[in-house]
Amino acid sequence: QLQLQESGPGLVKPSETLSLTCTVSGGSISSSSYYWGWIRQPPGKGLEWIGSIYYSGSTYYNPSLKSRVTISVDTSKNQFSLKLSSVTAADTAVHYCARHRTSRLTAIDYWGQGTLVTVSS
Amino acid sequence: QSVLTQPPSVSGAPGQRVTISCTGSSSNIGAGYDVHWYQQLPGTAPKLLIYGSSNRPSGVPDRFSGSKSGTSASLAITGLQAEDEAYYYCQAYDSSLSVLFGGGTKLTVL
Repeated sequence: QLQLQESGPGLVKPSETLSLTCTVSGGSISSSSYYWGWIRQPPGKGLEWIGSIYYSGSTYYNPSLKSRVTISVDTSKNQFSLKLSSVTAADTAVHYCARHRTSRLTAIDYWGQGTLVTVSS
Repeated sequence: QSVLTQPPSVSGAPGQRVTISCTGSSSNIGAGYDVHWYQQLPGTAPKLLIYGSSNRPSGVPDRFSGSKSGTSASLAITGLQAEDEAYYYCQAYDSSLSVLFGGGTKLTVL
Protein backbone atom coordinates (compact mmCIF):
# COMPACT_ATOMS: atom_id res chain seq x y z
CA GLN A 1 0.00 0.00 0.00
CA LEU A 2 1.42 3.37 -1.02
CA GLN A 3 2.09 5.77 1.84
CA LEU A 4 3.23 9.37 1.85
CA GLN A 5 4.62 11.14 4.91
CA GLU A 6 5.37 14.83 5.24
CA SER A 7 8.19 16.03 7.46
CA GLY A 8 9.69 19.38 8.35
CA PRO A 9 9.52 22.26 10.83
CA GLY A 10 6.11 23.09 12.22
CA LEU A 11 7.05 26.70 12.89
CA VAL A 12 8.68 29.13 10.48
CA LYS A 13 9.46 32.80 11.03
CA PRO A 14 8.05 35.48 8.71
CA SER A 15 10.27 36.23 5.69
CA GLU A 16 12.04 32.88 6.04
CA THR A 17 11.72 29.78 3.85
CA LEU A 18 9.30 26.95 4.54
CA SER A 19 10.84 23.56 3.75
CA LEU A 20 9.02 20.24 3.73
CA THR A 21 9.89 16.76 2.50
CA CYS A 22 7.56 13.98 1.45
CA THR A 23 8.81 10.42 1.83
CA VAL A 24 7.08 7.85 -0.34
CA SER A 25 6.92 4.22 0.76
CA GLY A 26 5.27 1.18 -0.77
CA GLY A 27 6.00 2.40 -4.29
CA SER A 28 8.65 4.08 -6.42
CA ILE A 29 8.65 7.80 -7.04
CA SER A 30 10.60 7.02 -10.22
CA SER A 31 7.57 5.44 -11.85
CA SER A 32 6.76 7.11 -15.15
CA SER A 33 3.09 6.74 -14.34
CA TYR A 34 2.57 9.54 -11.84
CA TYR A 35 2.97 13.17 -10.95
CA TRP A 36 3.58 14.06 -7.29
CA GLY A 37 2.23 17.21 -5.72
CA TRP A 38 1.86 19.57 -2.78
CA ILE A 39 -1.49 20.96 -1.64
CA ARG A 40 -2.14 23.24 1.31
CA GLN A 41 -5.15 24.12 3.42
CA PRO A 42 -5.20 27.19 5.69
CA PRO A 43 -7.03 26.59 8.97
CA GLY A 44 -10.78 26.56 8.36
CA LYS A 45 -10.39 27.16 4.63
CA GLY A 46 -10.32 25.22 1.39
CA LEU A 47 -7.67 23.35 -0.57
CA GLU A 48 -5.05 25.15 -2.64
CA TRP A 49 -2.74 23.42 -5.10
CA ILE A 50 0.88 24.53 -4.69
CA GLY A 51 2.57 22.57 -7.45
CA SER A 52 3.48 19.17 -8.83
CA ILE A 53 6.57 17.35 -10.08
CA TYR A 54 7.37 14.38 -12.32
CA TYR A 55 10.18 11.97 -11.47
CA SER A 56 12.23 13.55 -14.26
CA GLY A 57 12.08 16.90 -12.47
CA SER A 58 9.47 18.52 -14.69
CA THR A 59 7.39 20.89 -12.58
CA TYR A 60 4.15 22.84 -12.67
CA TYR A 61 3.39 25.55 -10.13
CA ASN A 62 0.36 27.54 -9.01
CA PRO A 63 0.75 30.86 -10.85
CA SER A 64 -0.07 32.79 -7.68
CA LEU A 65 2.82 31.14 -5.80
CA LYS A 66 5.24 30.49 -8.64
CA SER A 67 7.70 33.24 -7.75
CA ARG A 68 8.21 31.76 -4.27
CA VAL A 69 7.93 28.00 -4.83
CA THR A 70 10.48 25.34 -5.67
CA ILE A 71 9.60 21.65 -5.80
CA SER A 72 12.36 19.10 -6.28
CA VAL A 73 12.67 15.32 -6.37
CA ASP A 74 15.29 12.94 -5.01
CA THR A 75 14.68 9.57 -6.62
CA SER A 76 17.54 7.95 -4.67
CA LYS A 77 15.68 8.65 -1.43
CA ASN A 78 12.18 8.21 -2.88
CA GLN A 79 11.36 11.74 -1.71
CA PHE A 80 10.19 15.03 -3.10
CA SER A 81 10.43 18.40 -1.41
CA LEU A 82 8.79 21.80 -1.19
CA LYS A 83 10.41 25.14 -0.55
CA LEU A 84 8.33 28.30 -0.17
CA SER A 85 10.28 31.49 0.35
CA SER A 86 9.45 34.82 1.98
CA VAL A 87 6.60 33.36 4.00
CA THR A 88 3.99 35.43 5.83
CA ALA A 89 1.19 34.55 8.23
CA ALA A 90 -1.00 33.93 5.18
CA ASP A 91 1.13 30.87 4.43
CA THR A 92 0.09 29.18 7.68
CA ALA A 93 -1.63 25.96 6.59
CA VAL A 94 -1.78 22.21 6.73
CA HIS A 95 0.45 21.02 3.90
CA TYR A 96 -0.29 17.75 2.15
CA CYS A 97 1.91 15.81 -0.20
CA ALA A 98 0.05 13.65 -2.67
CA ARG A 99 0.12 11.54 -5.82
CA HIS A 100 -1.75 12.24 -9.02
CA ARG A 101 -3.23 8.99 -10.28
CA THR A 102 -1.70 9.31 -13.75
CA SER A 103 1.24 10.92 -15.52
CA ARG A 104 -0.82 14.07 -15.97
CA LEU A 105 -2.14 16.63 -13.50
CA THR A 106 -5.30 14.67 -12.90
CA ALA A 107 -7.09 13.32 -9.83
CA ILE A 108 -5.15 12.77 -6.61
CA ASP A 109 -5.53 9.25 -5.29
CA TYR A 110 -3.06 9.16 -2.42
CA TRP A 111 -2.53 11.84 0.22
CA GLY A 112 -0.19 12.19 3.15
CA GLN A 113 -1.72 12.83 6.54
CA GLY A 114 -0.77 16.49 6.34
CA THR A 115 1.48 18.64 8.49
CA LEU A 116 0.63 22.02 9.97
CA VAL A 117 3.15 24.75 9.32
CA THR A 118 2.64 27.93 11.30
CA VAL A 119 4.31 31.17 10.28
CA SER A 120 4.96 33.26 13.35
CA SER A 121 7.77 35.08 15.06
CA GLN B 1 -11.65 33.28 -4.54
CA SER B 2 -11.72 29.90 -6.27
CA VAL B 3 -12.10 29.73 -10.05
CA LEU B 4 -14.28 26.66 -9.52
CA THR B 5 -17.43 27.77 -7.73
CA GLN B 6 -19.26 25.53 -5.28
CA PRO B 7 -22.16 26.33 -2.95
CA PRO B 8 -20.85 26.90 0.58
CA SER B 9 -23.33 24.47 2.07
CA VAL B 10 -26.02 21.92 1.27
CA SER B 11 -28.15 19.78 3.54
CA GLY B 12 -30.50 16.84 3.44
CA ALA B 13 -32.26 14.35 5.64
CA PRO B 14 -31.12 10.75 5.95
CA GLY B 15 -32.16 8.73 2.92
CA GLN B 16 -32.55 11.77 0.69
CA ARG B 17 -30.61 12.73 -2.41
CA VAL B 18 -28.43 15.82 -2.54
CA THR B 19 -26.36 17.35 -5.30
CA ILE B 20 -23.33 19.62 -5.14
CA SER B 21 -22.50 21.77 -8.14
CA CYS B 22 -19.12 22.92 -9.40
CA THR B 23 -19.09 25.72 -11.95
CA GLY B 24 -16.00 26.52 -13.97
CA SER B 25 -15.23 28.20 -17.26
CA SER B 26 -14.12 27.63 -20.82
CA SER B 27 -10.51 27.25 -19.68
CA ASN B 28 -11.13 24.30 -17.39
CA ILE B 29 -14.36 22.27 -17.24
CA GLY B 30 -15.66 23.83 -20.45
CA ALA B 31 -12.42 22.96 -22.23
CA GLY B 32 -13.22 19.29 -21.71
CA TYR B 33 -11.00 18.61 -18.74
CA ASP B 34 -12.23 16.03 -16.27
CA VAL B 35 -13.64 16.95 -12.88
CA HIS B 36 -12.71 15.06 -9.73
CA TRP B 37 -14.41 15.06 -6.34
CA TYR B 38 -13.07 14.62 -2.82
CA GLN B 39 -14.61 14.08 0.58
CA GLN B 40 -12.87 15.54 3.61
CA LEU B 41 -13.86 14.55 7.12
CA PRO B 42 -12.76 16.79 10.00
CA GLY B 43 -9.07 16.53 10.78
CA THR B 44 -8.31 14.15 7.93
CA ALA B 45 -6.82 14.32 4.46
CA PRO B 46 -9.19 14.49 1.49
CA LYS B 47 -10.34 11.20 -0.02
CA LEU B 48 -10.91 10.71 -3.73
CA LEU B 49 -14.59 10.02 -4.42
CA ILE B 50 -14.97 10.50 -8.17
CA TYR B 51 -12.33 10.78 -10.89
CA GLY B 52 -12.68 11.42 -14.58
CA SER B 53 -15.98 13.22 -13.89
CA SER B 54 -17.97 10.03 -13.30
CA ASN B 55 -15.73 7.16 -12.20
CA ARG B 56 -15.63 5.75 -8.67
CA PRO B 57 -12.41 4.37 -7.18
CA SER B 58 -12.63 0.92 -5.68
CA GLY B 59 -14.36 1.01 -2.32
CA VAL B 60 -16.46 4.12 -2.91
CA PRO B 61 -20.17 3.27 -2.58
CA ASP B 62 -22.33 3.61 -5.66
CA ARG B 63 -24.43 6.12 -3.71
CA PHE B 64 -21.88 8.64 -4.97
CA SER B 65 -22.01 9.63 -8.63
CA GLY B 66 -20.62 12.40 -10.78
CA SER B 67 -21.59 14.09 -14.01
CA LYS B 68 -20.38 16.94 -16.19
CA SER B 69 -22.03 19.19 -18.73
CA GLY B 70 -20.67 22.29 -20.39
CA THR B 71 -18.79 24.38 -17.88
CA SER B 72 -20.28 22.66 -14.82
CA ALA B 73 -20.14 19.38 -12.97
CA SER B 74 -22.19 17.82 -10.20
CA LEU B 75 -21.73 15.33 -7.42
CA ALA B 76 -24.85 13.43 -6.39
CA ILE B 77 -25.25 11.50 -3.16
CA THR B 78 -28.26 9.25 -2.80
CA GLY B 79 -29.51 7.46 0.30
CA LEU B 80 -27.88 10.11 2.48
CA GLN B 81 -26.26 8.76 5.66
CA ALA B 82 -25.02 10.50 8.78
CA GLU B 83 -21.47 9.46 7.91
CA ASP B 84 -21.66 11.49 4.69
CA GLU B 85 -21.52 14.73 6.68
CA ALA B 86 -18.27 16.28 5.50
CA TYR B 87 -16.75 18.86 3.20
CA TYR B 88 -16.72 18.10 -0.52
CA TYR B 89 -14.33 19.61 -3.05
CA CYS B 90 -14.24 19.54 -6.82
CA GLN B 91 -10.99 19.72 -8.78
CA ALA B 92 -10.10 20.26 -12.42
CA TYR B 93 -7.15 21.05 -14.62
CA ASP B 94 -6.97 24.48 -16.17
CA SER B 95 -5.48 25.60 -19.49
CA SER B 96 -3.17 27.89 -17.51
CA LEU B 97 -1.25 24.68 -16.70
CA SER B 98 -2.55 24.57 -13.16
CA VAL B 99 -4.73 22.49 -10.90
CA LEU B 100 -7.83 24.14 -9.49
CA PHE B 101 -9.93 23.27 -6.47
CA GLY B 102 -13.40 24.51 -5.73
CA GLY B 103 -13.97 26.43 -2.53
CA GLY B 104 -15.61 23.43 -0.88
CA THR B 105 -19.15 22.58 0.17
CA LYS B 106 -20.18 21.57 3.67
CA LEU B 107 -22.77 18.82 3.62
CA THR B 108 -24.98 18.66 6.70
CA VAL B 109 -27.13 15.60 7.32
CA LEU B 110 -30.20 16.83 9.17
